[in-house]
Amino acid sequence: AQSVTQPDIHITVSEGASLELRCNYSYGATPYLFWYVQSPGQGLQLLLKYFSGDTLVQGIKGFEAEFKRSQSSFNLRKPSVHWSDAAEYFCAVDGPAGTALIFGKGTTLSVSS
Amino acid sequence: GAGVSQSPSNKVTEKGKDVELRCDPISGHTALYWYRQSLGQGLEFLIYFQGNSAPDKSGLPSDRFSAERTGGSVSTLTIQRTQQEDSAVYLCASSLDRDPLSTQYFGPGTRLTVL
Repeated sequence: AQSVTQPDIHITVSEGASLELRCNYSYGATPYLFWYVQSPGQGLQLLLKYFSGDTLVQGIKGFEAEFKRSQSSFNLRKPSVHWSDAAEYFCAVDGPAGTALIFGKGTTLSVSS
Repeated sequence: GAGVSQSPSNKVTEKGKDVELRCDPISGHTALYWYRQSLGQGLEFLIYFQGNSAPDKSGLPSDRFSAERTGGSVSTLTIQRTQQEDSAVYLCASSLDRDPLSTQYFGPGTRLTVL
C-alpha cells in the first residue's frame, strides 16, 4: 500500500539559511507527489507537485523538490529561508486509483533570527 | 474567486451528541474530499465524492461517520454519538475533477472538540 514518511517531526533553521525537508514514499508504480504547507490557522496550500518528466520541480514561494526514484524520495528545498516560512509542511502521494491523497505526518519548521 | 469554505470554524460538543460539519467547495469543482487531521496522526482520508458517482467511503473510521453531498455541491459530514477520540480538525478539499493532475484546494477546517 502507498505510504509517505517524513522522518523529521520538527526542524529549526536560521533565517537566511538553506532548508531541506525529507520525504520518503512507498508506491508500486510511478507516483504523483505533492508538497503542501499549512500556516497557523490556515488551510493547506499546494507548494508544488510532480507527475512526470523533469525530476526537479519548481514551486511557489521559492521552493523546489527533487524526485529520486532510486531513493524513493521527494525532498523539499529552499536556498534561503524567511521567517514567514515557519509552518507545517506535508508531503503527499496520490492514493489508490488516483483519488484522495495519502499524507505524511508533517514536519514543523521553525525559523530563528 | 472564493475558495473552499467550511462551517463552523470551531465546534465544541459533549460526548454522545451528534454533529454536522459543512463544506462549500469551489464552484464548478466536481470532486470533494473530507480529511481528518489529528494531533500526531497527520491527515487521514475519510470520504471522497466525484460528481454523481457513489462516494468512496473507504476512509471512514466507523459507522458513526457519514457524509452526503447535495446537488453535487455542498457537503455535510455527520458524526453520530461523538466520542472523545473524534476530536480533530476536519478538512474539506475540492478539485476540478478526480484526475490526480487536478490540484486539491483545502478549506480552513473545522476544529471539533468532544468533551
